[in-house]
Amino acid sequence: DAGVIQSPRHEVTEMGQEVTLRCKPISGHNSLFWYRQTMMRGLELLIYFNNNVPIDDSGMPEDRFSAKMPNASFSTLKIQPSEPRDSAVYFCASSSGGGRIFGYTFGSGTRLTVV
Amino acid sequence: KQEVTQIPAALSVPEGENLVLNCSFTDSAIYNLQWFRQDPGKGLTSLLLIQSSQREQTSGRLNASLDKSSGRSTLYIAASQPGDSATYLCAVKKTSYDKVIFGPGTSLSVIP
Repeated sequence: DAGVIQSPRHEVTEMGQEVTLRCKPISGHNSLFWYRQTMMRGLELLIYFNNNVPIDDSGMPEDRFSAKMPNASFSTLKIQPSEPRDSAVYFCASSSGGGRIFGYTFGSGTRLTVV
Repeated sequence: KQEVTQIPAALSVPEGENLVLNCSFTDSAIYNLQWFRQDPGKGLTSLLLIQSSQREQTSGRLNASLDKSSGRSTLYIAASQPGDSATYLCAVKKTSYDKVIFGPGTSLSVIP
């Protein structure tokens, strides 16, 4: 298993541009999570999906952020328009649910820099 | 609202020492608790997962305990090594729908 795959690993963009981050969860995991990590705020849960359905998006900071999970093997996090304060490392994680809940597996993250 | 804290925020120890990292949570109604390690510039690696019905889990030199009633977990690292230097985060899962709250982490430095 290749684990949770995120792309790109690094993204540098100008303020105002649209940014799309991608995530492929572990096959068979039915929960997917997007986190943002900064020095100031630590790890923040942005949104999570269960069986491709958004369950809680209360962590999404503004309407500029949106996330989709069109199928069980792919999710995107979009920022439009991007701002310098969006600079952070964005992590995707997945886990399996059902009767027994296992732990999270994290991707390597996407380091976003908005200049 | 569940809050997770970790003490200390940073810790520096000489190689070979045994050490304990602490994690506290305000709502004892958790589903499970997980300890992670994060190396600088990298993602999180799962170390140990304790289900709510368990008291402890062990993996190699690591031992994690859970006391739900007091809202505490500890991560014990035996015979620390420089390679153990990293940030250690604990995370509690609130429900079976996998909402997880992370602590701020403890930055560990093991000095050769």
